[in-house]
Amino acid sequence: AQSVTQLGSHVSVSEGALVLLRCNYSSSVPPYLFWYVQYPNQGLQLLLKYTTGATLVKGINGFEAEFKKSETSFHLTKPSAHMSDAAEYFCAVSGNTGGGNKLTFGTGTQLKVEL
Amino acid sequence: GAVVSQHPSRVICKSGTSVKIECRSLDFQATTMFWYRQFPKQSLMLMATSNEGSKATYEQGVEKDKFLINHASLTLSTLTVTSAHPEDSSFYICSAVQGRESPLHFGNGTRLTVT
Repeated sequence: AQSVTQLGSHVSVSEGALVLLRCNYSSSVPPYLFWYVQYPNQGLQLLLKYTTGATLVKGINGFEAEFKKSETSFHLTKPSAHMSDAAEYFCAVSGNTGGGNKLTFGTGTQLKVEL
Repeated sequence: GAVVSQHPSRVICKSGTSVKIECRSLDFQATTMFWYRQFPKQSLMLMATSNEGSKATYEQGVEKDKFLINHASLTLSTLTVTSAHPEDSSFYICSAVQGRESPLHFGNGTRLTVT
């Protein structure tokens, strides 16, 4: 079984500031981890994913995340926030790559970017 | 890239009527499609997993007679909300995957309002 905890349902940063969205997971098998972004009234867009190999994963729009097994974490970061980054972000875990197994989503973090 | 089209994007219906939502994979064959429900400010909750040519597998607590899922072809799955009630009002999202090792692709969701 897998589960995901996203700390902080709302995060607010200034434009140009560091973005840090936290995600901790629990999994009984080697996890595969994902970050998705959702804009209002839209589906989810994959930002990045970790399957195996390099623990620092780079995604689209300048985001990256680091898989830390010892901390069971997969936090999402971006060095400099942009207004267009304002959205809902979901961390997800599965026991297999892609959609072969079901994804379990966290409760989401709403990112607000202020001028 | 792979595109999943979900239709309609918004629908308003009267209590007691049925509503059909379509999920199409436009440029790939989807062996599996997933249906999710998202309440305001909450995460996606998996409702059912749909494999082409076979019966859908429903998550615990999801009424299969109320939420009818049909996956008649490799490019189309439908979700029919039967005898809709106001509490069925929600955002419904589908996702599709081409193969076990392939990434999920999400539709843009359907906002259902039952009056």
